[in-house]
Order: sequence, then C-alpha cells, then structure tokens
Amino acid sequence: ETGVTQSPTHLIKTRGQQVTLRCSSQSGHNTVSWYQQALGQGPQFIFQYYREEENGRGNFPPRFSGLQFPNYSSELNVNALELDDSALYLCASSPDWASGNTGELFFGEGSRLTVL
Amino acid sequence: QKEVEQNSGPLSVPEGAIASLNCTYSDRGSQSFFWYRQYSGKSPELIMFIYSNGDKEDGRFTAQLNKASQYVSLLIRDSQPSDSATYLCAVKGSARQLTFGSGTQLTVLP
Repeated sequence: ETGVTQSPTHLIKTRGQQVTLRCSSQSGHNTVSWYQQALGQGPQFIFQYYREEENGRGNFPPRFSGLQFPNYSSELNVNALELDDSALYLCASSPDWASGNTGELFFGEGSRLTVL
Repeated sequence: QKEVEQNSGPLSVPEGAIASLNCTYSDRGSQSFFWYRQYSGKSPELIMFIYSNGDKEDGRFTAQLNKASQYVSLLIRDSQPSDSATYLCAVKGSARQLTFGSGTQLTVLP
C-alpha cells in the first residue's frame, strides 16, 4: 500500500511568484486535505477536496487554490507569494469522508516552501 | 480563545517517567479527538484517536477524554528518549476538518 507522497520536497521562490505543490493520496483514500504549518506552530487547515470538489476551506485568501483529479491526487496553487507563505505545506488523505469515518488523517512528508 | 489549546511546553521528563500532555477545545460539537507525534523536520504521524468519554490504552500510550470538561489528554508511560517530539492535539468538530493545537514539545532525558 502506497502512502501519501508530495512533491517537491523543498523549493525556494521569490515574493510575487506562483507555486504549485502536488500530492498523491494513499491508495483507497478519496479525500485530500491541505495544511500550512509555520515554524513552531500547529498545522492550519487550508482546504479539503472530496471527489474532485472543494468541501471545506479555512481562513486563507483566494490566492490559495486547489484541484483534485479523478485519481484523487491533488494540487495546491499559491499565487502572488508573500514572505509569510514560507512554511511546510502538508497534504493528508483520509478514507471516504461521507462514510462516517472517524476522521483520522494520513500525512505526506510535506513540501517546505521558502519565499525570499 | 483558540479552538484547540495545548500547553506550549517545553516539557521535560526523565527516562522511565510518565509524561502528561493536555489539550482543551472550544467546540462542544466535537466528535473525534486525535494525538499526533511530529519529530523535528518530519510530518505528523497518528498515535491514537478517541471519541468516547473515558480512557483508551494502546501500549505505553493512554488517551483520556472528558467531553463535559472539553478536555483530552495523552499519558506516555515509561517514557523513552525516542518519545522526544512535538505532540499535536487535533479535534474534529462540527466542521469537516481537523483543527490542530500548536503542539507541546516533549523532551525525555536519558
């Protein structure tokens, strides 16, 4: 069984640029969530995708956007990067959200973004 | 008031002692509660989840839940240096996502 994989693992961008982060969910999981974790903080919820539809969003501006594909993989796009966007971006998958599962998340290793 | 609050620590315990980690939450509609462990530079990994009042034990770990007090805790018995990490409390409330606390850094001293 393949776990959650993310790419790239590290990247450096400059302020104002755009970035795309990618995530492959764990086999059998159709729900993908994205979290931002700043240094010394807990993960902050960005949004969640279920069967290719966004079905939950945290307190992040519209320049944070995402997609989920038919194979349940996902992308996070961030436009007009700001210095405060520097963080570890975590993708997590979970079994069918609608089936009453308890909600545990399985995380990938993350993509560490540095904005200069 | 933060939705999920944890003692920020750091917490230091000697090897073999019991480490006690605490978490409170604000959403009374919360249904499921999770403890994740995160080593420095790594992603969170699930240790335990609990959704009924009382205690749940798994090896050296015990999760305790008191919904009336909106309180959840994690006890680590016979603490080992390999338990040194940040422990994140996460709560699934009336919203669809997990909400995390800021974590408690635990150091187990040999």
